[in-house]
Amino acid sequence: ETGVTQSPTHLIKTRGQQVTLRCSSQSGHNTVSWYQQALGQGPQFIFQYYREEENGRGNFPPRFSGLQFPNYSSELNVNALELDDSALYLCASSLVLAGEDEQYFGPGTRLTVT
Amino acid sequence: KNQVEQSPQSLIILEGKNCTLQCNYTVSPFSNLRWYKQDTGRGPVSLTIMTFSENTKSNGRYTATLDADTKQSSLHITASQLSDSASYICVVNSGYSTLTFGKGTMLLVSP
Repeated sequence: ETGVTQSPTHLIKTRGQQVTLRCSSQSGHNTVSWYQQALGQGPQFIFQYYREEENGRGNFPPRFSGLQFPNYSSELNVNALELDDSALYLCASSLVLAGEDEQYFGPGTRLTVT
Repeated sequence: KNQVEQSPQSLIILEGKNCTLQCNYTVSPFSNLRWYKQDTGRGPVSLTIMTFSENTKSNGRYTATLDADTKQSSLHITASQLSDSASYICVVNSGYSTLTFGKGTMLLVSP
């Protein structure tokens, strides 16, 4: 167990709806990254938050947004869901210091858009 | 463009046999390379991490190698077990948690 938790485990939504996924970081970690993993593919970087500020973003449209809270937990929000948004969403927490930034992954949230 | 290529895409071996998975990368800058094991529908779990100066790193029956000159890495699994069935993902870190993932090798260990 990595100490990173995600909720919910599974979720089914309809195209056009909005969804919020949650992540609780490992204790002491100040950075959280979100990834989308389609079936049979490697994870794709969505964005990263460091101390409540967005600190990098992958090639995802603005309808993917996020928040990091003072306790370093995080949310991923997706608006106007599309069928292609169906995937496993992973969050990973890390403590970014010079020479130390290993990411610890949560178990993921499986999102199905119908 | 940063890329990580893994081969083979999938692999079936008999329980008890050894296997080697390959990873080639074109990522710059380079901070470290990690191998993750990902069970179906679960988050990846780190197996090994290697920096530029490290050539080999072991974790039980898993041994990773790194050739920073040719930008190649391998993961060798010894005496495979049924529980080794999973996807193995090669990930290159460019620093400050900027990761480039391979698509993974799906390993199936059959009895």
